[in-house]
Amino acid sequence: SQTIHQWPATLVQPVGSPLSLECTVEGTSNPNLYWYRQAAGRGLQLLFYSVGIGQISSEVPQNLSASRPQDRQFILSSKKLLLSDSGFYLCAWRASSTDTQYFGPGTRLTVL
Amino acid sequence: AQKITQTQPGMFVQEKEAVTLDCTYDTSDPSYGLFWYKQPSSGEMIFLIYQGSYDQQNATEGRYSLNFQKARKSANLVISASQLGDSAMYFCAMREGRDSSYKLIFGSGTRLLVRP
Repeated sequence: SQTIHQWPATLVQPVGSPLSLECTVEGTSNPNLYWYRQAAGRGLQLLFYSVGIGQISSEVPQNLSASRPQDRQFILSSKKLLLSDSGFYLCAWRASSTDTQYFGPGTRLTVL
Repeated sequence: AQKITQTQPGMFVQEKEAVTLDCTYDTSDPSYGLFWYKQPSSGEMIFLIYQGSYDQQNATEGRYSLNFQKARKSANLVISASQLGDSAMYFCAMREGRDSSYKLIFGSGTRLLVRP
């Protein structure tokens, strides 16, 4: 069966510091991968998605970036965090033959 | 304009009773998919049920069913025989067929509290 992992689970970072969040999927090949952000008490907003290694599409212009160095690995990064980057970050995967996205456990980021 | 609207910020239901969570959507795309996710306090988004726009029958998954009324553009989630563990946030989401990213557009959610 397929499993999706995210780490770290929680992170507290100062403004201006770098960020790296990692997402990995097991039990499937060539998944479509997604990064979403959820502000407190709100729904999710898509940040990036990837249909294959090295292929990244950005939905929202911001100081975040994403990379997919391996088939089942998706990384969210920032060179300098802003206060507004605080939130709950969720990674999701989708098999190319289906509609449904399955989410990881998420990373709660607080920027101080 | 809001693509997904959930008008109930919070709902209460008595344990063992049924509850309906409302969701309306807006799209001009004839091909789309509708989803419901559950988000407990841990934060993880748990997939519950899916309805495709061309599906003739309403989707069901165990105690979850989706009341799909295409003409009204509504996709309400019905939870039967509520359990204490059903207390969580519930999100309705849509995927539009013309969007090759298959991204999901989420509503603002409904917080469900099941009373013992």
